[in-house]
Amino acid sequence: DVKVTQSSRYLVKRTGEKVFLECVQDMDHENMFWYRQDPGLGLRLIYFSYDVKMKEKGDIPEGYSVSREKKERFSLILESASTNQTSMYLCASSLRGLTRNTIYFGEGSWLTVV
Amino acid sequence: SQQGEEDPQALSIQEGENATMNCSYKTSINNLQWYRQNSGRGLVHLILIRSNEREKHSGRLRVTLDTSKKSSSLLITASRAADTASYFCATTNDYKLSFGAGTTVTVRA
Repeated sequence: DVKVTQSSRYLVKRTGEKVFLECVQDMDHENMFWYRQDPGLGLRLIYFSYDVKMKEKGDIPEGYSVSREKKERFSLILESASTNQTSMYLCASSLRGLTRNTIYFGEGSWLTVV
Repeated sequence: SQQGEEDPQALSIQEGENATMNCSYKTSINNLQWYRQNSGRGLVHLILIRSNEREKHSGRLRVTLDTSKKSSSLLITASRAADTASYFCATTNDYKLSFGAGTTVTVRA
């Protein structure tokens, strides 16, 4: 079974702090994604990566950056956390070729910025 | 930007009844997928239907796709309490999977 592991389930951070959300997948997937999920808005794509050291902006990249130094790990970075970044963050991965492959999700990280 | 939009936003049914939810989307797609999310958890893939398919079954799930109307439906037959969850459609176009806001289904015992 594919496993996508998000290191932290619940975090509380202060405004202005730098926040790291880590994600690891164990199935040698090329693609990795970061989404945020807010009530009534569904899932919105922040960034995705299709290979090591490669990244592409999604729909809402502002205020975020990402890092993919190893194939299995994709990190989301909030350079200076703000209260409007309080949300649930979901990491996902898939094989190359979204037209025929399923995306597998982690359990989510609940971030509260106070 | 949201590509898919689910309808209704919420659905409450009795155990044993069927649940139907719809998804409409705006642009051409390669495939459409349905996911389930239990409260506070990640999303679990249910079924993928390709743009050249019209209907697909998986257990108690039936998905239809009408590309001329840019819409899809998910039918859950003989619902169970364990089907209580949010259901999302997601459309795939090249590199991107775009989700709707979801339908919340409550199955009453």
